[in-house]
Amino acid sequence: SQQGEEDPQALSIQEGENATMNCSYKTSINNLQWYRQNSGRGLVHLILIRSNEREKHSGRLRVTLDTSKKSSSLLITASRAADTASYFCVTGFQKLVFGTGTRLLVSP
Amino acid sequence: DVKVTQSSRYLVKRTGEKVFLECVQDMDHENMFWYRQDPGLGLRLIYFSYDVKMKEKGDIPEGYSVSREKKERFSLILESASTNQTSMYLCASRRTGLSYNEQFFGPGTRLTVL
Repeated sequence: SQQGEEDPQALSIQEGENATMNCSYKTSINNLQWYRQNSGRGLVHLILIRSNEREKHSGRLRVTLDTSKKSSSLLITASRAADTASYFCVTGFQKLVFGTGTRLLVSP
Repeated sequence: DVKVTQSSRYLVKRTGEKVFLECVQDMDHENMFWYRQDPGLGLRLIYFSYDVKMKEKGDIPEGYSVSREKKERFSLILESASTNQTSMYLCASRRTGLSYNEQFFGPGTRLTVL
């Protein structure tokens, strides 16, 4: 299995702080995605980074990918209470393989 | 706005019952997927379908079957529900093609088998 493993499993920060989550995976990939899950909006796609990219930005999100280390990181800048959710790194194409996630709690 | 809907948010069934979980998408997507989500195990793929009447087993198909008679609808069937099938079930859809990776998920059905 090429299941990703997120680190840390849980993260608690204050509003305005940055949150960094890391992901390691086992096999070679074509791309890596990050998804967010909360009780309000369910599981939604955040961002995709391809294997030939090293960094990608989308709004307050910054994703990096190091294929030599088989790792990725997701940075959320200036976090908000609404960012409270579980974040998953996801590999695979037709068959997505989800990690076990990082639970982020952003306190007002 | 893309939409994947699931027939129930919460469902309680008894051991041995036949259970149908329905999923409908309005995006004309070819691919549809059923996952279950359990604490500490993440999401695991049960079955997926590339197109109407086509299905393929995922990682944990035992105890489940699926039906895809129409493009927009993908049903998950528990032939004889067991307590170890208590879980959150998530349906997803995706457009086919190399440029399309994002899967769109429904809100989930939390199934409890007593």
